[in-house]
Amino acid sequence: KNQVEQSPQSLIILEGKNCTLQCNYTVSPFSNLRWYKQDTGRGPVSLTIMTFSENTKSNGRYTATLDADTKQSSLHITASQLSDSASYICVVSAWETTDSWGKLQFGAGTQVVVTP
Amino acid sequence: NAGVTQTPKFQVLKTGQSMTLQCAQDMNHNSMYWYRQDPGMGLRLIYYSASEGTTDKGEVPNGYNVSRLNKREFSLRLESAAPSQTSVYFCASSEVSPNSGNTIYFGEGSWLTVV
Repeated sequence: KNQVEQSPQSLIILEGKNCTLQCNYTVSPFSNLRWYKQDTGRGPVSLTIMTFSENTKSNGRYTATLDADTKQSSLHITASQLSDSASYICVVSAWETTDSWGKLQFGAGTQVVVTP
Repeated sequence: NAGVTQTPKFQVLKTGQSMTLQCAQDMNHNSMYWYRQDPGMGLRLIYYSASEGTTDKGEVPNGYNVSRLNKREFSLRLESAAPSQTSVYFCASSEVSPNSGNTIYFGEGSWLTVV
């Protein structure tokens, strides 16, 4: 079972509108959570990285929130633009142990389509 | 600044053929990774190299081998390609362990089809 679940699977929004993507995880003990943007046919690009002590982090029009108690994160996109059309991937890692080094847990992504 | 560069971009193989995916990074990172991405699934780790001279298996290593040629280069080899290895492959790098919170940089991907 995937330890990182993202919702919705896909969504369509009008240009200029806001949207929120969800990420629930069961990875434990939690170390950090990342959000990546992946354009079609390209590699993922980092948007934000949050540790357990951070509950909000912004990168331009992207704002990520983290609730380590409920093991939930969200990514809010403000005033969407056509260039925001992409897959958004939630990635969670646990505290480093011999078995967990480098082994991040990736969500399947939320496909966002921004229409004019 | 090129970042992470991987080749080839596209490749079609016949079942049983072998090939090597090449990856190089110019950020002086210690750690490098190979992932595969399949529809409807998150990226899965094939192999990683925590530092030059070391390699370790990830989540889905069967059918693959890797070589950390030097600090810059990390190659992935398919010895006898199978249709189940049809996927998009991503090379990535980071300064140190991703559990420390440092950024992981990805290449642009290699689309591999095995027929």
